[in-house]
Amino acid sequence: KAGVTQTPRYLIKTRGQQVTLSCSPISGHRSVSWYQQTPGQGLQFLFEYFSETQRNKGNFPGRFSGRQFSNSRSEMNVSTLELGDSALYLCASSLGIGETQYFGPGTRLLVL
Amino acid sequence: AQRVTQPEKLLSVFKGAPVELKCNYSYSGSPELFWYVQYSRQRLQLLLRHISRESIKGFTADLNKGETSFHLKKPFAQEEDSAMYYCALRRGNQFYFGTGTSLTVIP
Repeated sequence: KAGVTQTPRYLIKTRGQQVTLSCSPISGHRSVSWYQQTPGQGLQFLFEYFSETQRNKGNFPGRFSGRQFSNSRSEMNVSTLELGDSALYLCASSLGIGETQYFGPGTRLLVL
Repeated sequence: AQRVTQPEKLLSVFKGAPVELKCNYSYSGSPELFWYVQYSRQRLQLLLRHISRESIKGFTADLNKGETSFHLKKPFAQEEDSAMYYCALRRGNQFYFGTGTSLTVIP
């Protein structure tokens, strides 16, 4: 089976712009979670989607949003980018909520 | 509230020496704990989970509810063990990760 894929792998944006990141889960996986990874904070949970519905949400501002499509692919959107949003954004898929998560390679976002 | 604490950001040991990566958690319920590993230029992957009580790549981790710890141990470190290690707690349906420990095994 192909692993979790994320596009794009690298992205450079400027403050105030918005960005959309994409995640394709492992075939058959219906749950997709998003994490922000930074050197200072480690991995922080953003949100989790299952069957096109957001099931869990971390402690991030409303500028961070996401959605899941009927084929389980997920997108994450960050609006009004800030310098502090520079991070590696990881997507993880699992068969269901709470199941073992398999991580993608991440999208590295740099906000200038 | 920080639910998972990894007190060591960096840890260096010599090849063949024992290694212990510390993880403490705060959770009053029945925790489910994991160790994830990220090797250089590779994606984050599950190393082991406490409920399976298995040994992966020579690593073991025992859940100590009294000390609220889930330390990762290996009796003889190998160079290929050099990586970033994350301890994680599952509370309900949400995962909480520690800030990670970077392990370097010196040849």
